[in-house]
Amino acid sequence: DTGVSQNPRHKITKRGQNVTFRCDPISEHNRLYWYRQTLGQGPEFLTYFQNEAQLEKSRLLSDRFSAERPKGSFSTLEIQRTEQGDSAMYLCASSHRLVYTGELFFGEGSRLTVL
Amino acid sequence: SQKIEQNSEALNIQEGKTATLTCNYTNYSPAYLQWYRQDPGRGPVFLLLIRENEKEKRKERLKVTFDTTLKQSLFHITASQPADSATYLCALLSGNTGKLIFGQGTTLQVKP
Repeated sequence: DTGVSQNPRHKITKRGQNVTFRCDPISEHNRLYWYRQTLGQGPEFLTYFQNEAQLEKSRLLSDRFSAERPKGSFSTLEIQRTEQGDSAMYLCASSHRLVYTGELFFGEGSRLTVL
Repeated sequence: SQKIEQNSEALNIQEGKTATLTCNYTNYSPAYLQWYRQDPGRGPVFLLLIRENEKEKRKERLKVTFDTTLKQSLFHITASQPADSATYLCALLSGNTGKLIFGQGTTLQVKP
């Protein structure tokens, strides 16, 4: 399968712990996006990369959140000192910059539960 | 502020009927608008894109319209089937940044 891959699919952690999610995009895609989704809501933009450059970060993202894409391939999203409000589905998506449509290909998401 | 609004109430229809979902936006001038389908516990899947200079786009049983004057897109599923039951999301590009912004989605339930 050559789709977008996210790991882990589920993560349960205690408040105050750090968690890290990984996303492997479709290999020829140079854009990578992170979204957060809570129940009954649409995906909420967090940040996106073009190759290894982080081009935009949502103002909603606190300093506890950091994302990297060191070699322009896979990406990690780390949440430090987790809070119960961080419980959500974290979605990764990729797209090819040169494709005019700009459609996003999503992974299956990483569900975070903070106890 | 920029807003994308979809009907938050679930849409329940009978199999075989046409489902119509609405997406309204304010303070955007999008070059194009996209529709996605999302099943419970899964990531969204791209369905259709319509450009600002297109009034209508079709793909099999799906039809999308785009009215830039009304700032509205309508998404139609004809001859609906129970397998069409899902949440449908509309999305717009925000400015020239490549950032795609989503509405909250409308859940469609097709009853046999």
